[in-house]
Amino acid sequence: EVQLLESGGGLVQPGGSLTLSCAASGFTFSSYAMNWVRQAPGKGLEWVSAISGSGSSTYYPDSVKGRFTISRDNSKNTLYLQMNSLRAEDTAVYYCAKGTAAGLASFDYWGQGTLVTVSS
Amino acid sequence: QLVLTQSPSASASLGASVKLTCTLSSGHSSYAIAWHQRQPEKGPRYLMKVNSDGSHSKGDGIPDRFSGSSSGAERYLTISSLQSEDEADYYCQTWGTGIQVFGGGTKLSVL
Repeated sequence: EVQLLESGGGLVQPGGSLTLSCAASGFTFSSYAMNWVRQAPGKGLEWVSAISGSGSSTYYPDSVKGRFTISRDNSKNTLYLQMNSLRAEDTAVYYCAKGTAAGLASFDYWGQGTLVTVSS
Repeated sequence: QLVLTQSPSASASLGASVKLTCTLSSGHSSYAIAWHQRQPEKGPRYLMKVNSDGSHSKGDGIPDRFSGSSSGAERYLTISSLQSEDEADYYCQTWGTGIQVFGGGTKLSVL
């Protein structure tokens, strides 16, 4: 059974930093791209970042490029999202999602999410 | 620019059928998309991938009541025999070179 368990969310001040983790199990982690997706209060889903199965390629939308860094440790079956220079508009529930291929493709499993609140 | 367009809301009666639409932007009509369901207070759930030829592949445990189809730049999600638990937000998603894109979502109300 595929399981994705996010952790690391919390309250952080504007300009601060936070690192999210996603522990994966139930599949060959290194064979699949992984993604972070967020949902701000009252808003829709927004893709935040993606990383290839090997970790050699990373992708970001302009809204987080230069502030967020996605990484993975295939030996620990864990995905990370380092978030710097956080803004109020980064407040959201953050989900990790498993891709269906080593590169960018659809998602077939989601975690339950972790809440990040950016506020003073 | 790769964009997905969805109607903000839809409604249908308990036991009826509903067809949700996701429209790909101009020049992208050959793209596959995926449908995801976001029930209240739950994480998203993958429903299916829908290809440009209308073929679709469903996620684990997705009931037969859910089906997908295509026509041109439009991708559809049809839910038959609507149940109360189908009341949720439905998002389409696609991917291109270096990007992932979500539609704005459709809020489905089951009357």
